[in-house]
Amino acid sequence: RKEVEQDPGPFNVPEGATVAFNCTYSNSASQSFFWYRQDCRKEPKLLMSVYSSGNEDGRFTAQLNRASQYISLLIRDSKLSDSATYLCVVNPRAAGNKLTFGGGTRVLVKP
Amino acid sequence: EPEVTQTPSHQVTQMGQEVILRCVPISNHLYFYWYRQILGQKVEFLVSFYNNEISEKSEIFDDQFSVERPDGSNFTLKIRSTKLEDSAMYFCASSVTVEAFFGQGTRLTVV
Repeated sequence: RKEVEQDPGPFNVPEGATVAFNCTYSNSASQSFFWYRQDCRKEPKLLMSVYSSGNEDGRFTAQLNRASQYISLLIRDSKLSDSATYLCVVNPRAAGNKLTFGGGTRVLVKP
Repeated sequence: EPEVTQTPSHQVTQMGQEVILRCVPISNHLYFYWYRQILGQKVEFLVSFYNNEISEKSEIFDDQFSVERPDGSNFTLKIRSTKLEDSAMYFCASSVTVEAFFGQGTRLTVV
């Protein structure tokens, strides 16, 4: 089983719609979880950290389900500028700050 | 807003040559990292550096690779005797704790 697994998509989303997707992780001892955004041939940019209680940042909502070992990202009122690849990122253990990346979920927002 | 900067943005080198990729991490950050992304694949961890020494490295980071912090601001990745399969985007990142911020990357092309 892959350490961090994502549906590669693409998710084709009409502008203004809501889109949600998940990511699963294999290491139950994982401590920290993040969503990064990556535009084509650019660097990953931190979108948000994911907390146990769930968290929201504007149109973006992230949830963590430790029992089922998945995290989710929901984007409301999608904008054309939300088109990107969303990377699920996990710190797999308490010691060490190495990040493990999923392969990314591609989202295409269309007018 | 402080950012991680990398130079050069693109490097073309002949197989067997040595390359040095340079990074200036965010000034108050304590942890420094190198990641790489082969075209079309996921971001992979190479090495982390803390308190002037390697704190963790992946299987990819073999004797061909080395890192150095030659002064108070720069962080370098040296690849000795480059191979065709070293062609990738190399990202430097830095963090205070686990949340890492990435530079814009160096695209390395080995011919």
